[in-house]
Amino acid sequence: GESVGLHLPTLSVQEGDNSIINCAYSNSASDYFIWYKQESGKGPQFIIDIRSNMDKRQGQRVTVLLNKTVKHLSLQIAATQPGDSAVYFCAELYPYGGSQGNLIFGKGTKLSVKP
Amino acid sequence: EAGVAQSPRYKIIEKRQSVAFWCNPISGHATLYWYQQILGQGPKLLIQFQNNGVVDDSQLPKDRFSAERLKGVDSTLKIQPAKLEDSAVYLCASSPVTSGETQYFGPGTRLLVL
Repeated sequence: GESVGLHLPTLSVQEGDNSIINCAYSNSASDYFIWYKQESGKGPQFIIDIRSNMDKRQGQRVTVLLNKTVKHLSLQIAATQPGDSAVYFCAELYPYGGSQGNLIFGKGTKLSVKP
Repeated sequence: EAGVAQSPRYKIIEKRQSVAFWCNPISGHATLYWYQQILGQGPKLLIQFQNNGVVDDSQLPKDRFSAERLKGVDSTLKIQPAKLEDSAVYLCASSPVTSGETQYFGPGTRLLVL
């Protein structure tokens, strides 16, 4: 859902369960998408990326799905662990300004893993 | 390999004061970015450098914000004068490419304007 001000969407899961985090992106012209993980007091950390010519990409315990028709991304985390607790951001690479492409970040989802 | 370094980590100032942030990118990364992250939101690009030249500063509030990367390595971001709404985390990122991909973020500087 949408976040307003300080209120991030929150997903709470039990340790060992699978997590699904969703993101709607803005621009049909965006051709590259990234999921970042941000822990408290740290900068965003790259998790996985996907190009617009793909629908699905898998990493270690993570899978990203891309639906260009509805401009939707999802991040699936298998066997969620307490160390996965963080805020997750999707970002789209969109050419604007004078650059080849700049990252536009979504509002983020806070994942809480219960032991 | 050392990551992106930023200092200070925290800064508290009063409104109308000036403040400067410093960033040392990963060695060899020609592209450097400054982002502003307001609490509860995703990072928003302020400025992009390629070596010592500005590629994109369309999102930088130029009446009060300035940034430089004189020797194409370290960069400073300055706010003068600061406003209450400038309270945020200021993130620096660097990349070995110009495409916007493969950005590595520093830990950020948390600014509080009172």
